[in-house]
Amino acid sequence: QKEVEQNSGPLSVPEGAIASLNCTYSDRGSQSFFWYRQYSGKSPELIMSIYSNGDKEDGRFTAQLNKASQYVSLLIRDSQPSDSATYLCAVSTGNQFYFGTGTSLTVIP
Amino acid sequence: DTEVTQTPKHLVMGMTNKKSLKCEQHMGHRAMYWYKQKAKKPPELMFVYSYEKLSINESVPSRFSPECPNSSLLNLHLHALQPEDSALYLCASSQVVGDTQYFGPGTRLTVL
Repeated sequence: QKEVEQNSGPLSVPEGAIASLNCTYSDRGSQSFFWYRQYSGKSPELIMSIYSNGDKEDGRFTAQLNKASQYVSLLIRDSQPSDSATYLCAVSTGNQFYFGTGTSLTVIP
Repeated sequence: DTEVTQTPKHLVMGMTNKKSLKCEQHMGHRAMYWYKQKAKKPPELMFVYSYEKLSINESVPSRFSPECPNSSLLNLHLHALQPEDSALYLCASSQVVGDTQYFGPGTRLTVL
């Protein structure tokens, strides 16, 4: 079992819709959770970090964490074509940092 | 400022060449990382330095040799690489190991 799992997609949504990206992790001791966005040929860029159960909002992005279910998600509201990228979920256990395989998102104008 | 810089941006080398990749951060971070990323795959951890000491080496072939001259700099020395080593090499840093990682722009390496 992989430490961090994501649906690889591709996920396609129309412009203006909500994109929902999901991630599960295996280590119950995981402490910190991150979402990165990576455009093709570029390096990962941090979107959000979340550390406690519940929702965290930053502009059009909302991260949701449920430690009991070992699940973290990212919602993108009012999706724009510029949001088309690969979204990487990452989980830290304190001394190890694990990336999921990424979900490819395409926002269709 | 959350900037990590990497040089060069692109590198083409033959299998007999020796080259080095450089990474620099001035955020006072004490953990620095090298990743290798192939197309359509997630970053693959190679090395972790914590307080300038190598703390994790993910069974990387000896043709890759990391070096951390000081707390701001990280090098990756390359020697006798294979074509399959062609990839995007990413450097990242964080306050301490396990904390939020910030990535540099990467070096696109092509081995002929």
